[in-house]
Amino acid sequence: DAGITQSPRYKITETGRQVTLMCHQTWSHSYMFWYRQDLGHGLRLIYYSAAADITDKGEVPDGYVVSRSKTENFPLTLESATRSQTSVYFCASSNDLGQPQHFGDGTRLSIL
Amino acid sequence: ELKVEQNPLFLSMQEGKNYTIYCNYSTTSDRLYWYRQDPGKSLESLFVLLSNGAVKQEGRLMASLDTKARLSTLHITAAVHDLSATYFCAVPVTSGTYKYIFGTGTRLKVLA
Repeated sequence: DAGITQSPRYKITETGRQVTLMCHQTWSHSYMFWYRQDLGHGLRLIYYSAAADITDKGEVPDGYVVSRSKTENFPLTLESATRSQTSVYFCASSNDLGQPQHFGDGTRLSIL
Repeated sequence: ELKVEQNPLFLSMQEGKNYTIYCNYSTTSDRLYWYRQDPGKSLESLFVLLSNGAVKQEGRLMASLDTKARLSTLHITAAVHDLSATYFCAVPVTSGTYKYIFGTGTRLKVLA
């Protein structure tokens, strides 16, 4: 199906573990984004990417790593998870400044 | 540093009433986006406003942009229960960038 998909939808892990959240889009959009959503903070940009192999930091990049070897994939890795990274993570994509971002369904991540 | 403020943060209103949500931002921008989020769901795009004076309407919602005042409004006409959701505005950090800052959202509850 066309669209943007995130996996897993739910994840529970322990502090210090590495965890990777996946994001895949079928539109061949150039731009992809990772946000986290926490109560009282709205959505905050973690990283974004303008094309394959081009990534840049957002508002809250510390503790996260991204890569984009293919246009359609944009995984987000927490190298050593901390409790403060418990959140809902959204991936989004867009192809043009005049177009909105299209969001995935989100990954609810709990770090114990 | 760009700040995006929405008010009110919470809004409870009766069906059939009109109300306006405000989005103020602190730096120059020629674009603004409105999104809707239902509880536990992803974000969906409502409006893309691309220039000063832009006005877009969809059903009972109308959005406008005043870049000189750094203000966008989302007006609700004759509210219905189905409009209950959280509404976010988003503004690019600088002109021509894909790095967005989201407002903290306005949680709207329409009472039947």
